Amino acid sequence: AQSVAQPEDQVNVAEGNPLTVKCTYSVSGNPYLFWYVQYPNRGLQFLLKYITGDNLVKGSYGFEAEFNKSQTSFHLKKPSALVSDSALYFCAVRDTESDRGSTLGRLYFGRGTQLTVWP
Amino acid sequence: DGGITQSPKYLFRKEGQNVTLSCEQNLNHDAMYWYRQDPGQGLRLIYYSQIVNDFQKGDIAEGYSVSREKKESFPLTVTSAQKNPTAFYLCASSRRGEFSTDTQYFGPGTRLTVL
Repeated sequence: AQSVAQPEDQVNVAEGNPLTVKCTYSVSGNPYLFWYVQYPNRGLQFLLKYITGDNLVKGSYGFEAEFNKSQTSFHLKKPSALVSDSALYFCAVRDTESDRGSTLGRLYFGRGTQLTVWP
Repeated sequence: DGGITQSPKYLFRKEGQNVTLSCEQNLNHDAMYWYRQDPGQGLRLIYYSQIVNDFQKGDIAEGYSVSREKKESFPLTVTSAQKNPTAFYLCASSRRGEFSTDTQYFGPGTRLTVL
């Protein structure tokens, strides 16, 4: 079964410090991995995705994520946090193995991690 | 939020009433999705559609219905059979449902409250 775990409900970091939001996944085949951000009472905004190739993916607003197949992780990182980065972050995965023969681009989402950056 | 619009932003429903949430996209995307978001539970898939006049149930379809008469529109009806409809509803679309690499883009959401 496909699943995504975000082990931390909340992450707090000081402005200017590096931040990490953790994500681990479980799939049958190769994963396609996504990160989204949600501000209060807004929809989800796409940040970045890993499909294949370089394990380090760069995305919007200075965020990047590192795909680690052996640890089945896809942690979101930023070298220097901003107060404006405070939001809810979602990791999502698509399992290419279970979707073989399927025609749906089904995403499985984690429960989200609330990031708070304090000044 | 791109080219996906959802209306209304806030919706109040009395118990026993059906309500319809609108979702429109101008991205020329084939696939559209409805999700429900509850605090601490992430996103749960309600219904999805890959082409016009076709749609499938997601994980929590009971008490909901949809239609896909036009490519750009995918309205969701929350029926009186939905026991706990108070939630934040998100519509999404992607270029094609069958391609794994396609990104889903989300609308701004509708917050439904049952009075």
